[in-house]
Amino acid sequence: GAGVSQSPSNKVTEKGKDVELRCDPISGHTALYWYRQRLGQGLEFLIYFQGNSAPDKSGLPSDRFSAERTGESVSTLTIQRTQQEDSAVYLCASSSPGAGGGGEQYFGPGTRLTVT
Amino acid sequence: KNQVEQSPQSLIILEGKNCTLQCNYTVSPFSNLRWYKQDTGRGPVSLTIMTFSENTKSNGRYTATLDADTKQSSLHITASQLSDSASYICVVPNDYKLSFGAGTTVTVRA
Repeated sequence: GAGVSQSPSNKVTEKGKDVELRCDPISGHTALYWYRQRLGQGLEFLIYFQGNSAPDKSGLPSDRFSAERTGESVSTLTIQRTQQEDSAVYLCASSSPGAGGGGEQYFGPGTRLTVT
Repeated sequence: KNQVEQSPQSLIILEGKNCTLQCNYTVSPFSNLRWYKQDTGRGPVSLTIMTFSENTKSNGRYTATLDADTKQSSLHITASQLSDSASYICVVPNDYKLSFGAGTTVTVRA
């Protein structure tokens, strides 16, 4: 496909369980971002990958959150010991390096996570 | 404090009518401002990207304005259609990170 894809589209999990969310960026895009969007709120930056550079993890809310990216391809966001406040839509975006603030970001459809 | 503020939080308009959404930002230095449309259950999709030197930019029935002096932008929707029902998000990059407004939810009714 030509766009950013994410899986699963929906995930319901019990409090305390671990979850893994997947993002497939647009081919050739070196930058990849994860965001969290809580109901009725704006997107919150979580983590940024750019090529082989060390990722910017400054937005991760706690050490229960981690993310990996293999080269310039797939990324996974892992949430350990999920809590109810983790319920949100998790969005992934990718971009190619460009002028004016990192290039335009293309978003995936998101994964809606519900922690019961 | 969020660096991008949007108003109103939500609005309802009748099909065929116009509406204007507002965005104020404090991000500095400024490189560009973006408006995204987010349909329910979908990721945001870019509508316009405006640089410092651009005052007005149109994309079909969507027209964005930018006043870099007052750090304000607006998005005007002309002759609204039911498919315009969505959340409209104002975004200002801060280096490689994006600062997002909370969005304005627009509901177009027949």
